[in-house]
Amino acid sequence: GQNIDQPTEMTATEGAIVQINCTYQTSGFNGLFWYQQHAGEAPTFLSYNVLDGLEEKGRFSSFLSRSKGYSYLLLKELQMKDSASYLCAVMDSNYQLIWGAGTKLIIKP
Amino acid sequence: EADIYQTPRYLVIGTGKKITLECSQTMGHDKMYWYQQDPGMELHLIHYSYGVNSTEKGDLSSESTVSRIRTEHFPLTLESARPSHTSQYLCASSPSKEDYNEQFFGPGTRLTVL
Repeated sequence: GQNIDQPTEMTATEGAIVQINCTYQTSGFNGLFWYQQHAGEAPTFLSYNVLDGLEEKGRFSSFLSRSKGYSYLLLKELQMKDSASYLCAVMDSNYQLIWGAGTKLIIKP
Repeated sequence: EADIYQTPRYLVIGTGKKITLECSQTMGHDKMYWYQQDPGMELHLIHYSYGVNSTEKGDLSSESTVSRIRTEHFPLTLESARPSHTSQYLCASSPSKEDYNEQFFGPGTRLTVL
C-alpha cells in the first residue's frame, strides 16, 4: 500500500531552526509537496521537489532523497506565525497526491 | 493569490437531508478535487475531475456524487446526510500540467450532521 509518515507533533523555540521529516512509500513518484495548514484553514503550498537535493525559498528549505524515500522541510528563524501543521504529500504514478497526516508545529516564545 | 471559493463555510443539518456543497474557481483550471479532512488527520480524496464532463471517484466516494458541467464549477452532493459525514470538506484545483500539479485550496466547508 501507499504510505506517508511524518511526526505527529514537534515543539520549537521562536528564532530557532526546526526540521520536519517525511518518509514515503508510494506506487511511483512524480514529486513531493509540502503544504502549510493553520488551524481551521485550508492548506497553502510551500514547496515542490522532484529531483534530489535542496530547494531554498526564503526561511523555508525542502530536501529530497528519492533513493531513500525521504524528505525534510527546514524552517529557519522561527516566528510565532509559523505555528501550524505541515503536510507532506507525494504525487504517485497516476499523478494523484497521497497525503501524510501532517506535523503540528508548536512555537514557544 | 488563488481564486477558489466554497459555500457554505459552515453547515449544520439533520440526518437524512440532501445537501450540495458548492465550489467555484476563476483560474481556468481543468483539474478539480474534493477532499475530506478530520482534525489532525490526512486529506482523503473523495472525487476529482480532469475537465468538463469528467468525474472520477477517490477513496471515500461511495456516499456522494459530483458533476462538472462548467470548468469553473464542481459541486459535491450528499444524497442523505449522516452523522459520519461530519467533517471538513476542502475543494481544490490545479492547472493541467502533468509534471507539476500544485493544488490551490478553497477555504473549506465545515459540515455537522446531527
